[in-house]
Amino acid sequence: GNSVTQMEGPVTLSEEAFLTINCTYTATGYPSLFWYVQYPGEGLQLLLKATKADDKGSNKGFEATYRKETTSFHLEKGSVQVSDSAVYFCALSPANQGGKLIFGQGTELSVKP
Amino acid sequence: DTAVSQTPKYLVTQMGNDKSIKCEQNLGHDTMYWYKQDSKKFLKIMFSYNNKELIINETVPNRFSPKSPDKAHLNLHINSLELGDSAVYFCASSLAVSDSPLHFGNGTRLTVT
Repeated sequence: GNSVTQMEGPVTLSEEAFLTINCTYTATGYPSLFWYVQYPGEGLQLLLKATKADDKGSNKGFEATYRKETTSFHLEKGSVQVSDSAVYFCALSPANQGGKLIFGQGTELSVKP
Repeated sequence: DTAVSQTPKYLVTQMGNDKSIKCEQNLGHDTMYWYKQDSKKFLKIMFSYNNKELIINETVPNRFSPKSPDKAHLNLHINSLELGDSAVYFCASSLAVSDSPLHFGNGTRLTVT
C-alpha cells in the first residue's frame, strides 16, 4: 500500500539554524511527492513538489530531493526564520489516482529568535 | 479573491444533530476533496469528486454525505453527529492529474458536545 512517515515533532530550533525534516514513503508505482506547510489557523499550502526520481523541488529557501533508492523526500533549509514556524506535511500522490494525496503525520517546527 | 472558501469557519453542535459544511472554489478545477484533520494534526482523505462524480470514498460512515451540485461546489452533510466527529474539516481542489497540487480552504472546526 501507500504510506508516508515523517519524523516526529515538535522540532525546536534557533533562528538561522539548519533544518532537516525526514520523510520516507512506501508506494506502488511512481508517485509524485510534495511538502505542504500549515500555519496556525490556516489550511495547507503547497511548499514544493517533485514528480520523478532525482527531481529537486525548491521554494522559499526550502529544498527536497526525490530519492527513489532510499524512498525518501527529506525537507531541508539552510537558515530558518521565526516566520517558518508551522506544521510541515510530507505527502505522496499515487500515480493514476486523480490527485489524491496521502499525508504523513506532520512535523511541528518552532523557531525561536 | 479567495480560491477555496468554506463555511462556516467554526461549528459547535450537540450529538445527534445534522449539520452541513459548504465549499466553493473559483480556480476552475475539476476535482474537489474533503479531508479530515484530527486532534493530532493527522490528515485523511474522505471523499473526492471529479466533475460532480464521486471518485473516492475512503470508507467513511454513511452518516457523511457529500453533494456536488456543480464542479465548483462540494458540500458535506453530516447526520446524527457523534463526539468522534469533532475535527477540522478541509475542503480542497485540484486539476485531475497526479502531480497537480491541492489548494486547500482554511478549514471548518467542528466541535460536537
